[in-house]
Amino acid sequence: KQEVTQIPAALSVPEGENLVLNCSFTDSAIYNLQWFRQDPGKGLTSLLLIQSSQREQTSGRLNASLDKSSGRSTLYIAASQPGDSATYLCAVGRGGYQKVTFGTGTKLQVIP
Amino acid sequence: EPEVTQTPSHQVTQMGQEVILRCVPISNHLYFYWYRQILGQKVEFLVSFYNNEISEKSEIFDDQFSVERPDGSNFTLKIRSTKLEDSAMYFCASSRVQGAGELFFGEGSRLTVL
Repeated sequence: KQEVTQIPAALSVPEGENLVLNCSFTDSAIYNLQWFRQDPGKGLTSLLLIQSSQREQTSGRLNASLDKSSGRSTLYIAASQPGDSATYLCAVGRGGYQKVTFGTGTKLQVIP
Repeated sequence: EPEVTQTPSHQVTQMGQEVILRCVPISNHLYFYWYRQILGQKVEFLVSFYNNEISEKSEIFDDQFSVERPDGSNFTLKIRSTKLEDSAMYFCASSRVQGAGELFFGEGSRLTVL
């Protein structure tokens, strides 16, 4: 059974800082990994999708990496802004009918 | 930009009542899903749906739950007789392709069972 863990559970940083969020998974036989952002009481906004054959994906200030063999992914946020404050979730897909397993989330607060 | 829409945004119901949550997936998507998130807990998979039938379901998705796509655009989740522990945020998601496809989620429907 796939277990997905995210560390840290919460993070508070001053505006402008670069930061890294971590996601680890127990079963390396994954199909893809997706990072989401969740604002309080809101839905899940897709940030980046990395296929199992890829090492990283970039979108703007965000860069996600994937190391399947070690069961890890990182989300790097450059030059953080207060608007980045949210909970960040990673979700690991095992293919098939795209059932994904979500991590526990990292709650990020960027202080102006 | 196309999006997944869900209604209602919040529903309050009495224990034992039937609830239907509605979703309109992105129009050219073929795979549909329901997930739920109990307050303070992880997002959990409930069911996936393709070609008008359930393709996979979790142990949470028992006989009290059902899904259907009644008219080619809506995708519904029915809870037959709600329990207190059904209180959660329910998310609908869709993807264009199987397996490698990016999942797009709706804003969620918050269900409160009293």
